[in-house]
Amino acid sequence: AIQMTQSPSSLSASVGDRVTITCRASQGIRNDLGWYQQKPGKAPKLLIYAASSLYVGVPSRFSGSGSGTDFSLTITSLQPEDFATYYCLQDYNFPRTFGQGTKLEIK
Amino acid sequence: QVELVQSGSELKKPGASVKVSCKTSDYTFTSYAMNWVRQAPGQGLEWMGWINTNTGYPTYAQGFTGRFVFSLDTSVTTAYLQISSLKAEDSAVYYCASGYDKFDYWGQGTLVTVSS
Repeated sequence: AIQMTQSPSSLSASVGDRVTITCRASQGIRNDLGWYQQKPGKAPKLLIYAASSLYVGVPSRFSGSGSGTDFSLTITSLQPEDFATYYCLQDYNFPRTFGQGTKLEIK
Repeated sequence: QVELVQSGSELKKPGASVKVSCKTSDYTFTSYAMNWVRQAPGQGLEWMGWINTNTGYPTYAQGFTGRFVFSLDTSVTTAYLQISSLKAEDSAVYYCASGYDKFDYWGQGTLVTVSS
C-alpha cells in the first residue's frame, strides 16, 4: 500500500497567516491526490482534487499543488473557520490511503 | 443537492453485530462508488474499502476482511456496512463517502460503541 506522510502533524497560526501543509507519497501517484478538511464532530469535506483543482464552493484562499510524490495544500489569509484538521488522500490505486492528518490550531 | 444520511449511534456488546446504513438522495445511486471510512476516537481517517454500486462488488482494505461486509439495496438507494463479532477496538465513527476518486459527498457519520 502507498504510504502518505503529512507534515507537520500540527501547526499553530494566526488569522490572516499563510500556511502550507505537505504530503509525501511513498511512490509516484501522478496528480491523484485530494485534500480534505475535518472539523470536530463533523464529516470531512473535499477541498481539492486532482492535486490542484478547487472543489465547487471552496474559497479561493485554498490551493493545492504538486505531482508525483510531493504535494502541498496552501491556505492564504487564514480565516477563523479554517482551524480544523486536514488530510490528504491518494486515489492513484487501491487501497486508498490517507495521510495521518495535520491539526491547524489558533496561535 | 446530494445527501448521504447515515443511521444513528449504536451501543453494542462484544461479540454482537451491527449494521450501519447510508441512504442517498437526489442522484442516480449507481453513478457513484460508495466508500466506507473509519475514524477511531481521537485518530485519523482510515479507508475500509468500497462497493461498486453498479455491480454490488465489494473491495475491502487489509484489516477489514472477514468480519466486515458491504452491501447495497438499490431499491431504496442505500448502502450498508455490517460488522460481526464486534470487538472493543471496533469502537469508532464510521462514514460512508461517495466517489471513485474524489470523495464528494459524505454521510454525517455513525458512532459505534462496543462495550460490555
